[in-house]
Amino acid sequence: SQQGEEDPQALSIQEGENATMNCSYKTSINNLQWYRQNSGRGLVHLILIRSNEREKHSGRLRVTLDTSKKSSSLLITASRAADTASYFCATDAGAAGNKLTFGGGTRVLVKP
Amino acid sequence: EAQVTQNPRYLITVTGKKLTVTCSQNMNHEYMSWYRQDPGLGLRQIYYSMNVEVTDKGDVPEGYKVSRKEKRNFPLILESPSPNQTSLYFCASSGRTRGQETQYFGPGTRLLVL
Repeated sequence: SQQGEEDPQALSIQEGENATMNCSYKTSINNLQWYRQNSGRGLVHLILIRSNEREKHSGRLRVTLDTSKKSSSLLITASRAADTASYFCATDAGAAGNKLTFGGGTRVLVKP
Repeated sequence: EAQVTQNPRYLITVTGKKLTVTCSQNMNHEYMSWYRQDPGLGLRQIYYSMNVEVTDKGDVPEGYKVSRKEKRNFPLILESPSPNQTSLYFCASSGRTRGQETQYFGPGTRLLVL
């Protein structure tokens, strides 16, 4: 089974609105990372949050981590049409180097 | 420019015909990994390598082989491809020390096995 599970699976919003997606995982982690993927392309790293951090910001992105609930959220503020993509959370449990375990992703559509 | 390259980008082959997908990175990363991506299943790790001559199985290694003779290259070998290996494949690399865990992904190789 997957370590990370994203919710919702798909999200459709208007440009300018905020988009929030959640990720739940099962085991203890060293860090949790969020990646973005445009259709059929490689993944691009967005942000990494360590297990001892609770919140992190990068531009219009805000990530939270609650290790007691084994969950994380990614918030994209003031969304743009160019934010249309799939977003994946990935957990690094540290068991084998930098092995990442990915969730199934959230497909985000930002309508202009 | 820091990058991970994969070749070929697209490949159509037939069952049983051996193929190799190459992966190369120019960031001097120790850690390299192969993933496959299938609809609804996210990315699943096939094999990974912690350094030269050090490789290990990921979550879905059956039907695949890898080698790591040089730091920059990590080819994925399908000795006898089958239709269930039709997928989108990604190579990734990263450092191993704290602060270098971000993985850099290649552009992907779309494989169709007939």
